[in-house]
Amino acid sequence: GESVGLHLPTLSVQEGDNSIINCAYSNSASDYFIWYKQESGKGPQFIIDIRSNMDKRQGQRVTVLLNKTVKHLSLQIAATQPGDSAVYFCAEIFDNYGQNFVFGPGTRLSVLP
Amino acid sequence: GAGVSQSPSNKVTEKGKDVELRCDPISGHTALYWYRQSLGQGLEFLIYFQGNSAPDKSGLPSDRFSAERTGGSVSTLTIQRTQQEDSAVYLCASSFTEQETQYFGPGTRLLVL
Repeated sequence: GESVGLHLPTLSVQEGDNSIINCAYSNSASDYFIWYKQESGKGPQFIIDIRSNMDKRQGQRVTVLLNKTVKHLSLQIAATQPGDSAVYFCAEIFDNYGQNFVFGPGTRLSVLP
Repeated sequence: GAGVSQSPSNKVTEKGKDVELRCDPISGHTALYWYRQSLGQGLEFLIYFQGNSAPDKSGLPSDRFSAERTGGSVSTLTIQRTQQEDSAVYLCASSFTEQETQYFGPGTRLLVL
């Protein structure tokens, strides 16, 4: 289940189950969203992105859902594997200037054997 | 190179000293970003370079922080008179153009004693 840790909310799932990581974004004008995965000791890695003219996009084992009405973004990971354990960040982008990339605080995904 | 590279990977310095962090973006990427990530926190935007335009420095936390990007490629982030609160992981990212997918380097872990 979900819990709020010292700094990061944590989601624990059993290996093989599906994971859903949620993100609330702040700006209704945001038109581009990205999910990043950051493993311990590494920089964030791009997972999947979605434009505001879409509400769903699928990749390999991952799906991003966008609900602009409630400004909510989710990342679904199918058949979660131990290698999926990491911190996941959502990012919202609006306008064309670098200052308008806003990253969420991240969610730590812990995959249990 | 194949990806964004950063050096050094780790830096330990004494309070009051100056440090320089280097970023080599992906060849051909016109946009370059610097971020800071404190332990357990999300990514804090610092500065953004796009082509030959004046950089967006709005995220720099104080005038002790500065960055350059020479020849539209390599970037150096300089922190003068370092303080203990500067301890963090400094991440660099590049993208082909603005508001496109950002690719992150491995980061420089800075510890100020």
